[in-house]
Amino acid sequence: DAKTTQPPSMDCAEGRAANLPCNHSTISGNEYVYWYRQIHSQGPQYIIHGLKNNETNEMASLIITEDRKSSTLILPHATLRDTAVYYCIVRDTGTASKLTFGTGTRLQVTL
Amino acid sequence: KAGVTQTPRYLIKTRGQQVTLSCSPISGHRSVSWYQQTPGQGLQFLFEYFSETQRNKGNFPGRFSGRQFSNSRSEMNVSTLELGDSALYLCASSLTPKGSNYGYTFGSGTRLTVV
Repeated sequence: DAKTTQPPSMDCAEGRAANLPCNHSTISGNEYVYWYRQIHSQGPQYIIHGLKNNETNEMASLIITEDRKSSTLILPHATLRDTAVYYCIVRDTGTASKLTFGTGTRLQVTL
Repeated sequence: KAGVTQTPRYLIKTRGQQVTLSCSPISGHRSVSWYQQTPGQGLQFLFEYFSETQRNKGNFPGRFSGRQFSNSRSEMNVSTLELGDSALYLCASSLTPKGSNYGYTFGSGTRLTVV
């Protein structure tokens, strides 16, 4: 699985959009980009995933660059409950049966 | 529907003892994975079971083992506990070993403290 690089921490004001970047310059054609988050003392929670196209669900939007070497997770209206560690993971769903977590980005949402 | 259930939630053991942790996946999910989370090493994959067979294994010593039952429930065992085994142990379930389109669903974990 390709490695990812994320900033260690970010702050966001409540109600504003949180944009979390991720670099995955060695991503291969079969690898998807997955985002999970982990709220303190809980298990990781699936947020969204994508291959090439931008994706949106009820939780977030995922923007993947055309060359697929980086992506951005967007939480459109961050709340205090979005404070968590966010993990960007690339995975070949055709072969890999595990998730390789990096160090993630600690997002702090403040009033 | 019920989520992934891990028991016990907290556990304190003494060095040298052994411990068994349990995981009940989401109904209908047949794949169960285990992860260890420590402050120093982060989240690391232990192993995955599907249809009662271990399909993938991480880089952990043989003291760490697991099994899966016919109802898809899984247990992991750690023998001869060391202080460094203190961690949050997380279980994740999915329909298939490849995680399905929606990835994996994690439980809340078992917090193991070795003293």
